[in-house]
Amino acid sequence: DTGVSQNPRHKITKRGQNVTFRCDPISEHNRLYWYRQTLGQGPEFLTYFQNEAQLEKSRLLSDRFSAERPKGSFSTLEIQRTEQGDSAMYLCATPGVAGGPSSYNEQFFGPGTRLTVL
Amino acid sequence: GENVEQHPSTLSVQEGDSAVIKCTYSDSASNYFPWYKQELGKRPQLIIDIRSNVGEKKDQRIAVTLNKTAKHFSLHITETQPEDSAVYFCAASKPSSRGSARQLTFGSGTQLTVLP
Repeated sequence: DTGVSQNPRHKITKRGQNVTFRCDPISEHNRLYWYRQTLGQGPEFLTYFQNEAQLEKSRLLSDRFSAERPKGSFSTLEIQRTEQGDSAMYLCATPGVAGGPSSYNEQFFGPGTRLTVL
Repeated sequence: GENVEQHPSTLSVQEGDSAVIKCTYSDSASNYFPWYKQELGKRPQLIIDIRSNVGEKKDQRIAVTLNKTAKHFSLHITETQPEDSAVYFCAASKPSSRGSARQLTFGSGTQLTVLP
């Protein structure tokens, strides 16, 4: 267990609805990543936070996607006007595990939120 | 941007045999190469990694080798067991021009099946 929690674990929504996911990382790690994983593929980078600053965004992150990390603690990822192509597992990752040091390179994933858009 | 290719996409081995999964990367600036194991319905789990200043790293039954010149790296699992059955992903990352981001670019995965 990495100590990272994500909620909800599963979300089923209808096309066109808005959804929001939350990631609660271990408090002492100031870096946080979001990835998306579709069935049968490896995770794809979406965005990166250092404390509250969103420093990198992938081209995958269309204008329907927005991410925040207020106060540099938990992070939220919102998808507006969901499309069927948004169906995927959304993973957040941090550079350390509970009780361990923060690593420059390593990334440890939370359990993910599985989104299904009908 | 970085492109990581992984093969084979599926691999079946008999219990006790060795398994090898290979990846190539395109960006010579990449300097960190982790491997993740993902069981069905679970999160990717970091199992081993290697940095570009090292050619080989071993941890019990698993080892990773890196050839920077050829831009490829491999995962070796010896004495395979049924519980090694999972999807394995390789990844590569390089220093970012902004802050301390180390975004990972993943391969497409290898479904390893260890037959008892």
